[in-house]
Amino acid sequence: AQSVSQHNHHVILSEAASLELGCNYSYGGTVNLFWYVQYPGQHLQLLLKYFSGDPLVKGIKGFEAEFIKSKFSFNLRKPSVQWSDTAEYFCAAAGQGGGADGLTFGKGTHLIIQP
Amino acid sequence: EPEVTQTPSHQVTQMGQEVILRCVPISNHLYFYWYRQILGQKVEFLVSFYNNEISEKSEIFDDQFSVERPDGSNFTLKIRSTKLEDSAMYFCASSPTTGVNYGYTFGSGTRLTVV
Repeated sequence: AQSVSQHNHHVILSEAASLELGCNYSYGGTVNLFWYVQYPGQHLQLLLKYFSGDPLVKGIKGFEAEFIKSKFSFNLRKPSVQWSDTAEYFCAAAGQGGGADGLTFGKGTHLIIQP
Repeated sequence: EPEVTQTPSHQVTQMGQEVILRCVPISNHLYFYWYRQILGQKVEFLVSFYNNEISEKSEIFDDQFSVERPDGSNFTLKIRSTKLEDSAMYFCASSPTTGVNYGYTFGSGTRLTVV
């Protein structure tokens, strides 16, 4: 069965700290991977995505993620967080070849950045 | 930037009542989706819709759920007889084509509370 696990449900950091949010997936076949962010009261926004090629993916707002196939991981990183990064972060996966069956999401990580 | 619009943002209904959640996808998108997120749990795929019919549906999407695109603009999710456990945030999404390569655009969600 397809699944996505996010290990940290709540993370609290100070501004300028480095961030790494863990994500592991279990999928049969080739997988596409995503990180979404949901700011308070807003919709889910795509931060970055990985389909193939360079396993280090750069996204918006200074975020990046590294696909490590041997570890079935796709961790999200940011070298220096800002107060405005406070949000819910979701890792998601889908099989290659079609999105009709939808994305499989992790439970999300609630990130709080303290000034 | 084009948006997916969902109305209402919050709906309260009594158990056993029918509810209709409305979504206006991005105008040139062809694939439409509904997801839900029960409080504290992961975002779950409900259904995908293309060419006026359901493409895929999850096991959650049972006979009490239905979707339609009544006028070429709106995309609705109907819950025929709501139960307490239907309380959740419901997200609509659309994409220009199938295949997650293009990513989804999500709406801001409708918070459904069944009392």
